[in-house]
Amino acid sequence: AQKITQTQPGMFVQEKEAVTLDCTYDTSDQSYGLFWYKQPSSGEMIFLIYQGSYDEQNATEGRYSLNFQKARKSANLVISASQLGDSAMYFCAMREASSFMNSGYSTLTFGKGTMLLVSP
Amino acid sequence: NAGVTQTPKFQVLKTGQSMTLQCAQDMNHEYMSWYRQDPGMGLRLIHYSVGAGITDQGEVPNGYNVSRSTTEDFPLRLLSAAPSQTSVYFCASRGTSGAYEQYFGPGTRLTVT
Repeated sequence: AQKITQTQPGMFVQEKEAVTLDCTYDTSDQSYGLFWYKQPSSGEMIFLIYQGSYDEQNATEGRYSLNFQKARKSANLVISASQLGDSAMYFCAMREASSFMNSGYSTLTFGKGTMLLVSP
Repeated sequence: NAGVTQTPKFQVLKTGQSMTLQCAQDMNHEYMSWYRQDPGMGLRLIHYSVGAGITDQGEVPNGYNVSRSTTEDFPLRLLSAAPSQTSVYFCASRGTSGAYEQYFGPGTRLTVT
């Protein structure tokens, strides 16, 4: 079973509107975290926002907020007031603890991504 | 700070050739990882390291070797390149405390013909 599911291959939004990108996850761990990364056409991976499984408040970073619904195992990204520069691929990813060497390392599993296009 | 650097940016190999993708970070991070990104697949973990001399396999390790002799460097070796290894390769690093954010390098686009 996929650990991270992004069901929207592509999304269109008009400039200045809000948009929600969906992400559902599957884990049996109690301690985990969800990330959103942005990948513009230039190819780099840009960290946007992080939510830990024990965080009581939904994470926010500027125009980005993460709508975390633990019981539903969903971690949707909300972008308010979209800008043309938001056009990019967006990846949801989940951090799970690794037992390797008791190191504290966390593996990161990515979804397949959602392509967001913002039109004027 | 340079952050995470990767060389080369682009590479074309013939089937059967070997090469090393370089990754270096200047943030004194203990954790380093290699991912590959294929169209429609997202990023998948190849190998990772939790410190100098300590590495482990990720989800898709076959055909790749790693070693970590210093904290700063984490090279990825392709032993005998195959067309299935055509991909974009990302190196990432993270510290052992504080935020869980991984810092990604700019990527290496590899084509195997």
